[in-house]
Amino acid sequence: QKEVEQNSGPLSVPEGAIASLNCTYSDRVSQSFFWYRQYSGKSPELIMSIYSNGDKEDGRFTAQLNKASQYVSLLIRDSQPSDSATYLCAVNRNNAGNMLTFGGGTRLMVKP
Amino acid sequence: DVKVTQSSRYLVKRTGEKVFLECVQDMDHENMFWYRQDPGLGLRLIYFSYDVKMKEKGDIPEGYSVSREKKERFSLILESASTNQTSMYLCASSRGRGRNIQYFGAGTRLSVL
Repeated sequence: QKEVEQNSGPLSVPEGAIASLNCTYSDRVSQSFFWYRQYSGKSPELIMSIYSNGDKEDGRFTAQLNKASQYVSLLIRDSQPSDSATYLCAVNRNNAGNMLTFGGGTRLMVKP
Repeated sequence: DVKVTQSSRYLVKRTGEKVFLECVQDMDHENMFWYRQDPGLGLRLIYFSYDVKMKEKGDIPEGYSVSREKKERFSLILESASTNQTSMYLCASSRGRGRNIQYFGAGTRLSVL
């Protein structure tokens, strides 16, 4: 099975700092990459999607994709306590692009 | 907004019972998914449906079956519930092929006693 690996954490950062979350994947032909945020006891919600090499910015969030090195990362600038959650990386797993493999998630804690 | 609705937030069942988990989406999505999520194991795909009456096994289909008689509804069936099926079950949906974002329901926390 194709693998998606994340450090489980917890990753602890002070309020206002940059949080950097990383994800590596094993299937070289993957084309679609997603970051989901999941609060404790809640379901995952999409924060970012990225399909091309480079950076994609949306507000305080930046997704970075490097297909040659097979990693995707998520940067959260000016981290807030409300960003404390588990962040799931997901990668498409079939040619049709409609199935995803999820990483185990990284738990982020932002301390006031 | 996309809405994926799961019929129950919490469910308690006895070992051996037949259990139905229902999921409905209102965005005319072709694809629907059932996952289970367990601490330390992440999200694991149980079954996937890409059209009415069409289904594919995911990574952990044993002990489960699914039904998709209408496009908007996808049911997960535990034929004979066992304690190792105690878990959080998440339904998701997405459009057809390509770069598709999956939208999740609120989840059903199932306890099998």
